[in-house]
Amino acid sequence: DVKVTQSSRYLVKRTGEKVFLECVQDMDHENMFWYRQDPGLGLRLIYFSYDVKMKEKGDIPEGYSVSREKKERFSLILESASTNQTSMYLCASRRQGVSYNSPLHFGNGTRLTVT
Amino acid sequence: GIQVEQSPPDLILQEGANSTLRCNFSDSVNNLQWFHQNPWGQLINLFYIPSGTKQNGRLSATTVATERYSLLYISSSQTTDSGVYFCAAYGSSNTGKLIFGQGTTLQVKP
Repeated sequence: DVKVTQSSRYLVKRTGEKVFLECVQDMDHENMFWYRQDPGLGLRLIYFSYDVKMKEKGDIPEGYSVSREKKERFSLILESASTNQTSMYLCASRRQGVSYNSPLHFGNGTRLTVT
Repeated sequence: GIQVEQSPPDLILQEGANSTLRCNFSDSVNNLQWFHQNPWGQLINLFYIPSGTKQNGRLSATTVATERYSLLYISSSQTTDSGVYFCAAYGSSNTGKLIFGQGTTLQVKP
């Protein structure tokens, strides 16, 4: 079974702090993704990565950056946390098949609260 | 870009009842996935189904790509089926991005 592990289940940070959300997958997947989920807004893509050292902006990248130094690890960075970044953050990965045709697997999520 | 719409938005069932959730998409898709998000927030992959029908226990899914819809069937529902069901589609433009519907919130009462 594919395992996508997010380092924290719950996180509370203060406004202005630099926050790191870590995600590790154990299936040698090329593609990795960060989403945030908010009530009424559904899942929105923040950043994704096709492979090591590659990154692409998703639909809402402002206020975030990412790092993919190793294939198994994809980090989401909040440079200066703000209260409007309080959300559920979900990491996902998938094998890069032909035409991106392979299922997406999610981690358990990190509930981040910025006070 | 592609739009994904789910119906109904909310559903309440008595334990043991059957239900059908629908997912419509506005354009050709390469593939489609169904997820269940449990009350703890975890998104579980249910089906990866570009076309045809797949079954897994009490759940089954059918995608008719030519008519741009997919259906998720839940039979003999249990309280553990409660949660939010999402469908998500890969657009034909091959960007690799998955487009999610807004979800159907299911509550199964004992």
